[in-house]
Amino acid sequence: ETVMTQSPVTLSMSPGERATFSCRASQSVVTKLAWYQQKPGQAPRLLIYGASTRVTGVPARFSGSGSGTEFTLTISSLQSEDFAVYYCQQYNDWPRGVTFGQGTKLEIK
Amino acid sequence: QVQLQESGPGLVKPSETLSLTCTVSGASITSFYWTWVRQAPGKGLEYIGYINYGGYTNYNPSLRSRATISIDPSKNQFSLKLRSVTAADTALFYCARVDSVLIKGNYFFYGMDVWGRGTTVTVSS
Repeated sequence: ETVMTQSPVTLSMSPGERATFSCRASQSVVTKLAWYQQKPGQAPRLLIYGASTRVTGVPARFSGSGSGTEFTLTISSLQSEDFAVYYCQQYNDWPRGVTFGQGTKLEIK
Repeated sequence: QVQLQESGPGLVKPSETLSLTCTVSGASITSFYWTWVRQAPGKGLEYIGYINYGGYTNYNPSLRSRATISIDPSKNQFSLKLRSVTAADTALFYCARVDSVLIKGNYFFYGMDVWGRGTTVTVSS
């Protein structure tokens, strides 16, 4: 099973700043990686798949990059609505399942 | 607009079976893949398993021996049964749609793109 490790656990940032989230896979997942955003009391929301393809409706300030075992989600200029928990998910094993990272909480500094 | 709605008992006794149903509206359940994901209090997301329109299932290895996912196209629903529950199974359970297609022998995955609001299940006597 591919283990996904996210860092940091918590990211304290201010609106307008650039936020960078890291996700590492225990083995190569090529670019078979998705990112989700979860706000308190809400279901997760799909942001990105294929490591870098934004889902329709996701603002352009969200971007994903990486391949193999190292991936990054970047929010170029934080808005108040961006403060949430972010999860990466690998699907290189699909259709034999998926695994999530443990999440990174983005909090207001 | 596709919507998913989880339903089922909010309280289950230890050693019993947790049963949840996800009702899909705005899309045919005979398309797409359908998954269950849970989230223990204050914890992250855990993949439970999925079922496709052909009835093919896959489960998280850690839950495979206790979980069963089934589909009922006549009701546009899919369901989860989790046997022999313990307090560690207390969680918020989500159902979601998986956008995935099989083309010429290759699987393409586009993410879990529609989610229900989730339903809380507590395991306690």
